[in-house]
This record gives sequence, C-alpha cells and structure tokens, in this order.
Amino acid sequence: AQSVTQLGSHVSVSEGALVLLRCNYSSSVPPYLFWYVQYPNQGLQLLLKYTSAATLVKGINGFEAEFKKSETSFHLTKPSAHMSDAAEYFCAVHFGNEKLTFGTGTRLTIIP
Amino acid sequence: DGGITQSPKYLFRKEGQNVTLSCEQNLNHDAMYWYRQDPGQGLRLIYYSQIVNDFQKGDIAEGYSVSREKKESFPLTVTSAQKNPTAFYLCAARRYPTGELFFGEGSRLTVL
Repeated sequence: AQSVTQLGSHVSVSEGALVLLRCNYSSSVPPYLFWYVQYPNQGLQLLLKYTSAATLVKGINGFEAEFKKSETSFHLTKPSAHMSDAAEYFCAVHFGNEKLTFGTGTRLTIIP
Repeated sequence: DGGITQSPKYLFRKEGQNVTLSCEQNLNHDAMYWYRQDPGQGLRLIYYSQIVNDFQKGDIAEGYSVSREKKESFPLTVTSAQKNPTAFYLCAARRYPTGELFFGEGSRLTVL
C-alpha cells in the first residue's frame, strides 16, 4: 500500500539551530512530493514541491528538501530556526492517482 | 487575487441540524477536495470531485454530502447523521498534473 511516514509527531529545536523534519514514502516509482505548513486555525500552505527536476528543492521561508530515491525520503531542513517557524508541517505524496497522500504531521516547537 | 475561499470561518450548530460549508475557487482547477482535521491528527479525506457533476467518497464520507454543479464551487453538507461533526474542515483544489493542492483557510464547526 502507498504510504507516507513522518518520523516524530513533535520536534523541538532551539532558535538558530538546524531544523530537520523527516519524511519517507513507499513507492517504486518516483512520485511528486510536497511539504506543507499549517499555522493554528489556518489552512495548509505549500512550502515546496519536487516534480522530477532538481533533487534539492528550495522553498519559501528558507526551507529546502532533498529527494533521495534510494532512501525513498524527502526530508525538510532549514539551517537556522526562527520563532516564526513554529507550526505543524505535513509531508504529502502524489502517487499518480487522483488523491494526495498525507503524513500525520510534525509539530515544530522553537525554544527561545 | 486567486485562491480558495471557504465560508463561514466559524460555525456553531445544534445537534440534529444540517449545515453547509461553502468552498469557492477561482484557480480554474478541475479537481476539488474536502478534508476533515481533528486536534493532533492529520487530514482525512471526506469527498472529492474530479469534474463537474461527478464526485467520489473519500475515507470518511458517512454523514456528509456534496454537490458539484459548477467548476468553481464544491459545497459540503454535514448532516445530522454525522455522529461527531465538531472539527476543522478544509477545502482544496488540485493542480494537474503535478498534483499539489491549494487550500482554503478552513471552517471550524462546533456542535453544541
């Protein structure tokens, strides 16, 4: 079955530290991959997407993600965390059907 | 300004009442989706529509109904048959062929 796994439902990092949010998917065919961010009581906003071009994808707010086919991973990183990065982050994968499959989300907390 | 417009933002309902959540898009995307989000949980697909006058059940369609009479509009009705309707509801439209979703700001329904 096609699935998306986000390791760690809660991640805490200090302000200025590296942010690393993990996402793995199950598929033998490279899919389209996305990261979304959700602030409280708001909809999801697209952070970045991989659509079979460069494997290192840059997004908004200083985030980037690297597609690694051999590891079936699409981890999200940011070199230096800011207080405004505190939010929930969702990894999503388009496996080629009519739906987008979401991970269960990772809540990111920034420690001052 | 292009996007997805959901209304109302907040809605209170008495038990036994039906309520309809509005979703309008001006992105000209064919496919539209409704998700439900509960505290600490990911997104669960309620219904989706790939074309006007056609729609399919998602993973949790019981107690909900939809219509798709126009490309721009995809309203969701939460019926009295839905046993636990208090939740945050998100509408989205999908870009073809890459599959990313564009979300509205959400509607929070509370049953009193």
